[in-house]
Amino acid sequence: KQEVTQIPAALSVPEGENLVLNCSFTDSAIYNLQWFRQDPGKGLTSLLLIQSSQREQTSGRLNASLDKSSGRSTLYIAASQPGDSATYLCAVPTYNTDKLIFGTGTRLQVFP
Amino acid sequence: GAGVSQTPSNKVTEKGKYVELRCDPISGHTALYWYRQSLGQGPEFLIYFQGTGAADDSGLPNDRFFAVRPEGSVSTLKIQRTERGDSAVYLCASSLGGRTTGELFFGEGSRLTVL
Repeated sequence: KQEVTQIPAALSVPEGENLVLNCSFTDSAIYNLQWFRQDPGKGLTSLLLIQSSQREQTSGRLNASLDKSSGRSTLYIAASQPGDSATYLCAVPTYNTDKLIFGTGTRLQVFP
Repeated sequence: GAGVSQTPSNKVTEKGKYVELRCDPISGHTALYWYRQSLGQGPEFLIYFQGTGAADDSGLPNDRFFAVRPEGSVSTLKIQRTERGDSAVYLCASSLGGRTTGELFFGEGSRLTVL
């Protein structure tokens, strides 16, 4: 059974810091991995989708890497800003199913 | 539409009542998903539609929950005899493809409170 873990659960940093959020999954037979952002009381916004054949994806100040064999992904946020404050979730669809299995998220606060 | 639309955004009901939650996916998206999210948790899968048919309903917690997508676009999640434990945010998502290609796009959710 696929399990997804995110570390740390919460993170508070000053503006301008570079930071890394971690996601690990137990079953490496995945099609892809997706990172989402969720603001309080809102739905999820897709940030990056990495296919299983890819090693990383970049979008602006965000870079996500995937090491399928070790069951890990990291989301790197460069030069963090207060507007980055949100909960970040990773999710994987397990092979041969259509379900996305989510981690419990990392709650990020960036203070000025 | 431009994004996934869910209605109502908030629903308060009494224990034992029937509720319907509606999802209007992005135009052209054939895959539609329902998830449920409790406070402080990640979303949990409920059901997945490919077109009009429920391709995977293994996440529905019991037979009080049912979902339909009769014309392959709008979907309705139906909950009978609601219980307090059903209180959560119900999220709908759609994608162009299915499991292999599908970047998921989520709606804002419907917050259900059962008193």
